[in-house]
Amino acid sequence: DVKVTQSSRYLVKRTGEKVFLECVQDMDHENMFWYRQDPGLGLRLIYFSYDVKMKEKGDIPEGYSVSREKKERFSLILESASTNQTSMYLCASSLESGGAVSETQYFGPGTRLLVL
Amino acid sequence: AQKVTQAQTEISVVEKEDVTLDCVYETRDTTYYLFWYKQPPSGELVFLIRRNSFDEQNEISGRYSWNFQKSTSSFNFTITASQVVDSAVYFCALSEGENTGFQKLVFGTGTRLLVSP
Repeated sequence: DVKVTQSSRYLVKRTGEKVFLECVQDMDHENMFWYRQDPGLGLRLIYFSYDVKMKEKGDIPEGYSVSREKKERFSLILESASTNQTSMYLCASSLESGGAVSETQYFGPGTRLLVL
Repeated sequence: AQKVTQAQTEISVVEKEDVTLDCVYETRDTTYYLFWYKQPPSGELVFLIRRNSFDEQNEISGRYSWNFQKSTSSFNFTITASQVVDSAVYFCALSEGENTGFQKLVFGTGTRLLVSP
């Protein structure tokens, strides 16, 4: 079974702090994704990565950055946390799509971040 | 732009009732994939099904069934004889990126299903 883990289930930070959310997958997937989930808005893509050291902006990248130094690990960074970044953050991974769009994304358990 | 609409925000049923969750999508891609995910209270999205745009055959898996109709751009999900453990938020999603090679999922806003004993 695919296993995607996230470093924290719950996190409380203060405005202005730098926040790191870590995601690790154990299935040698090439693609990794970060989403945020907010009530009434569904899941929105922040960033994704299709290879080590590669990254692409998603739909809402502002205020976030990412790092992928190893294939299995994808980090989401909030450079200076703000209250409007309070949300549920979900990491996902999938196999290389090879130009197709068929591969299933597998999700981690999510991190609920509260910024005070 | 790609879009997924789940018009039902919340549905409440009593155990053993059948329930259908609606999903309507918009896309200009000729090849695309549709997905359903379940998000129980624990928070993790659990993959349920993937269906490609060329396969309109309905699928059944135990108490779950999916009805894909390209003519109406719908991919509805039915749970037969619902159980309390079915209580969750269900998301429909559409893949996009046929021309870019990068897979992206567009999610609907989800339908919360409450099954009471």
